[in-house]
Amino acid sequence: GESVGLHLPTLSVQEGDNSIINCAYSNSASDYFIWYKQESGKGPQFIIDIRSNMDKRQGQRVTVLLNKTVKHLSLQIAATQPGDSAVYFCAYWAGNQFYFGTGTSLTVIP
Amino acid sequence: SQTIHQWPATLVQPVGSPLSLECTVEGTSNPNLYWYRQAAGRGLQLLFYSVGIGQISSEVPQNLSASRPQDRQFILSSKKLLLSDSGFYLCAWSGGRVRNEQFFGPGTRLTVL
Repeated sequence: GESVGLHLPTLSVQEGDNSIINCAYSNSASDYFIWYKQESGKGPQFIIDIRSNMDKRQGQRVTVLLNKTVKHLSLQIAATQPGDSAVYFCAYWAGNQFYFGTGTSLTVIP
Repeated sequence: SQTIHQWPATLVQPVGSPLSLECTVEGTSNPNLYWYRQAAGRGLQLLFYSVGIGQISSEVPQNLSASRPQDRQFILSSKKLLLSDSGFYLCAWSGGRVRNEQFFGPGTRLTVL
């Protein structure tokens, strides 16, 4: 079956520092990836996506990097703020559905 | 803009009781609709998806069922709840192709006692 994993279940960063959240996937045929942010008790919120014809995509304070060779995806958050504290998880398209990681819990220390 | 609603927000039900969770989408037509369950410490599990009225695909065999009586309405049901049905249920929609980005509702926290 498919697997989507995260290297670190928790991550604590100082306010203002950059955060990097990682994700490994197993299906080399996948060509579409998404990062979601989920605050406690709420539904996931779309952050940014990337297709396999790209290695990097930038949004507002966020950057997603895709390394298809090692099947690795990362989310970089610049100048992390307290409001960034949440669970972040990746998703990738395989077959006929998205597969989701379990998430990394990001805590921003003021 | 598009919005997605789910209700109720929380629900506590006894084992063996029926279930009906509702999801509606506003601001778009002919969306693809999805039901997911999120268990603690686990990734989202796709339960059902629908590409149109009356069209339901089930991904996991279980005692749950889904229906789409209207274009922008998606209902998750059960005739008899099990303890293992407890979890956080999320409805999502996407436009166009099913492989496009999905947008999630606020979720329903279901506790089966």
